[in-house]
Amino acid sequence: SAVISQKPSRDICQRGTSLTIQCQVDSQVTMMFWYRQQPGQSLTLIATANQGSEATYESGFVIDKFPISRPNLTFSTLTVSNMSPEDSSIYLCSVVPTTNEKLFFGSGTQLSVL
Amino acid sequence: QKEVEQDPGPLSVPEGAIVSLNCTYSNSAFQYFMWYRQYSRKGPELLMYTYSSGNKEDGRFTAQVDKSSKYISLFIRDSQPSDSATYLCAMSAGASGGSYIPTFGRGTSLIVHP
Repeated sequence: SAVISQKPSRDICQRGTSLTIQCQVDSQVTMMFWYRQQPGQSLTLIATANQGSEATYESGFVIDKFPISRPNLTFSTLTVSNMSPEDSSIYLCSVVPTTNEKLFFGSGTQLSVL
Repeated sequence: QKEVEQDPGPLSVPEGAIVSLNCTYSNSAFQYFMWYRQYSRKGPELLMYTYSSGNKEDGRFTAQVDKSSKYISLFIRDSQPSDSATYLCAMSAGASGGSYIPTFGRGTSLIVHP
């Protein structure tokens, strides 16, 4: 498996501001993803973070709202921009290590927007 | 109809009971089946990973897949209060590349009371 450190673990933000979430993995990984988990809902894939190139976004998610960086094989950031209360959710980083084909998750970021 | 259906519960059982958690799905291309456990304020943890139909056992946990019925189950024997968590099923068509990205159920909340 992989050890995934995600920061911050939780935050309370004001409407209109932005928050950047960091994801650091202890080993190189093939794939990195960002998910959103809203109360009572299944995990929703936001985007695949591609190393050295633009992220691949799922339907309903756009780069202006959720810019993603992945400068190397072990690190990625997700920014939630111009936040509104509807963005209140858990955001999860997940990875597929190069040594196996299973999906592992970070501990998540609990975001509340006032 | 959603691709993956999972009853959100909550499912409340006494300690020591056998627990059965289930998911149904509609996409016949799914070949890989996973169960994740998620404690409150934590990221999902991979519990079981199976390929195609059949059973897989790991300690008190048994994962069962019936592809003909498009139905998967997770059984927990001798349930403990520490098993109280949300259990998410997930499934994917492939083990690598774009077909790897799993589709998740909503999760079932399990409460094991002493």
